[in-house]
Amino acid sequence: DSGVTQTPKHLITATGQRVTLRCSPRSGDLSVYWYQQSLDQGLQFLIQYYNGEERAKGNILERFSAQQFPDLHSELNLSSLELGDSALYFCASSEDSQETQYFGPGTRLLVL
Amino acid sequence: DQQVKQNSPSLSVQEGRISILNCDYTNSMFDYFLWYKKYPAEGPTFLISISSIKDKNEDGRFTVFLNKSAKHLSLHIVPSQPGDSAVYFCAASASLSGNTGKLIFGQGTTLQVKP
Repeated sequence: DSGVTQTPKHLITATGQRVTLRCSPRSGDLSVYWYQQSLDQGLQFLIQYYNGEERAKGNILERFSAQQFPDLHSELNLSSLELGDSALYFCASSEDSQETQYFGPGTRLLVL
Repeated sequence: DQQVKQNSPSLSVQEGRISILNCDYTNSMFDYFLWYKKYPAEGPTFLISISSIKDKNEDGRFTVFLNKSAKHLSLHIVPSQPGDSAVYFCAASASLSGNTGKLIFGQGTTLQVKP
């Protein structure tokens, strides 16, 4: 158990809908990262937050947004969902940017 | 542009023997490298890391070697055990020199350790 929790574990929804994925980092970790793992793309970095502020952005679509709250949990919002958004979404956390990242169990999203 | 590559999609070894997983990178700004192990339907589990100021790091059965001039790293598992069967990901970041720890992952190598 990495100490990083993600909810929900599974999510099935329809195209055009909006979903919110939630992540609670390990106790004491200020950085939260979101990654997407799809069949053909492997693990891709989406976005990083540090202590509530956006720190880095990767290949995140404009339909996707994220935030980190004062209690340090983070949410990833995916809107206008398309079939191709079906993937595993992982959250990771670390004390700061120079430390090892620990991953949550992931949320499996299926868009029908 | 794949900055981190694991050219072997799969590897099969006998229990008790050495497993060697390889990884190549292209970005000379990377200064921190990690190996993660992943089982199906679970998140990646951190195994071992190495910073660019070292060329070797050891933790129990796991050793990571870094060859900066060749932009190559490898993970050695000795002795291999059936429980080591999983997908292994190599990841790299420029976290020590920059202010972001974003990881760039390789495509993974599936290791099968046969009893």
